[in-house]
Amino acid sequence: DAGVTQSPTHLIKTRGQQVTLRCSPKSGHDTVSWYQQALGQGPQFIFQYYEEEERQRGNFPDRFSGHQFPNYSSELNVNALLLGDSALYLCASSLPRGGPYEQYFGPGTRLTVT
Amino acid sequence: GDSVTQMEGPVTLSEEAFLTINCTYTATGYPSLFWYVQYPGEGLQLLLKATKADDKGSNKGFEATYRKETTSFHLEKGSVQVSDSAVYFCALPLSGNTPLVFGKGTRLSVIA
Repeated sequence: DAGVTQSPTHLIKTRGQQVTLRCSPKSGHDTVSWYQQALGQGPQFIFQYYEEEERQRGNFPDRFSGHQFPNYSSELNVNALLLGDSALYLCASSLPRGGPYEQYFGPGTRLTVT
Repeated sequence: GDSVTQMEGPVTLSEEAFLTINCTYTATGYPSLFWYVQYPGEGLQLLLKATKADDKGSNKGFEATYRKETTSFHLEKGSVQVSDSAVYFCALPLSGNTPLVFGKGTRLSVIA
């Protein structure tokens, strides 16, 4: 049973550029959440997708957007990159809301903005 | 809003020492509580969870008890190993059951 997978593993971008990160959820999961983890900090919630729609959003600007596909995989897009966007981006999948289901995390994508 | 306050590290222990990492929470009602672990260079792994008051979660020798009286969920292990060196995060659901609000993490280093 494949767990949550993310690509790419590492990425280096320049300020002002755009980036797309990808995530495939654990088999059987249909809810995908994205988190940003700055160095030395706990993960911060960006947004969550369920049934191909953004269901909840954390305190992140509109430069951060996403998408969920019919196969439940998801993308995170960040426009107009800033140096402060450098972080580990984690994708997590879970079962449908309504029960005490924990989230399963992927290994993350390390984004460096120069 | 809901939040988690976690003991700040780093924590350095000798092998076989006793470990406690404190976690307190602020939340409406009685949410599920989680401990996640992040090994160097990896994503987060669920270590243990408790879904209601007085529940004890346990895994790999780690334990945590959901204490509603003190709004705490402290992580303990009786005898740590070098392989336990990692960053530990306490977490609770932001709303419903997902997504999660995390503490800042506690880095544990165990030396032989």
